[in-house]
Amino acid sequence: EAGVAQSPRYKIIEKRQSVAFWCNPISGHATLYWYQQILGQGPKLLIQFQNNGVVDDSQLPKDRFSAERLKGVDSTLKIQPAKLEDSAVYLCASSLDRGAGAGETQYFGPGTRLLVL
Amino acid sequence: AQKVTQAQTEISVVEKEDVTLDCVYETRDTTYYLFWYKQPPSGELVFLIRRNSFDEQNEISGRYSWNFQKSTSSFNFTITASQVVDSAVYFCALIPPSGTYKYIFGTGTRLKVLA
Repeated sequence: EAGVAQSPRYKIIEKRQSVAFWCNPISGHATLYWYQQILGQGPKLLIQFQNNGVVDDSQLPKDRFSAERLKGVDSTLKIQPAKLEDSAVYLCASSLDRGAGAGETQYFGPGTRLLVL
Repeated sequence: AQKVTQAQTEISVVEKEDVTLDCVYETRDTTYYLFWYKQPPSGELVFLIRRNSFDEQNEISGRYSWNFQKSTSSFNFTITASQVVDSAVYFCALIPPSGTYKYIFGTGTRLKVLA
């Protein structure tokens, strides 16, 4: 079974530029998550989708970050404009279903390493 | 408040030594879930184990074992006969039963296994 796919793996941009990351979850997984992981820290949840609806975006900086999950499968996370402090690894994860199984295991993709200069 | 503490920032061991990574959590809920993930240099978080709060049996999987003690709110992870490939950052995480099942991660422990 294929895991969570993400692209690109690496991205270097200058501040004030825009960038987009793509995620394809494990087939059949209803819930998709985007995390930001700053060097030396644990991942921080940015947004959670169940199918194509947003469940939690309380920690998403909405003035510059946006995310969508059209058709309930793939998802895109965008930053516009980027700031120096956005330099981090952006991880995508998916889980089977939030409702049926409390405490669902999340499976993570390889992440996108973003460097903002 | 919900919190996960991994007090060991970095541990170095020589290959074949045993090593224990500590995880202490805080929650008022009686039902919750605990996880361990491994993050090798490639960056992907690899799932290792999931444990619910009602199952206090220790678990062993090959060289890995987990000791869950509700009395001390700890969920420690032991690697027996460590290998260089075990070098990674290890994260402990907690999911409370309410809300959006948001993972609460610890800050991670970097394990270096020296040949």
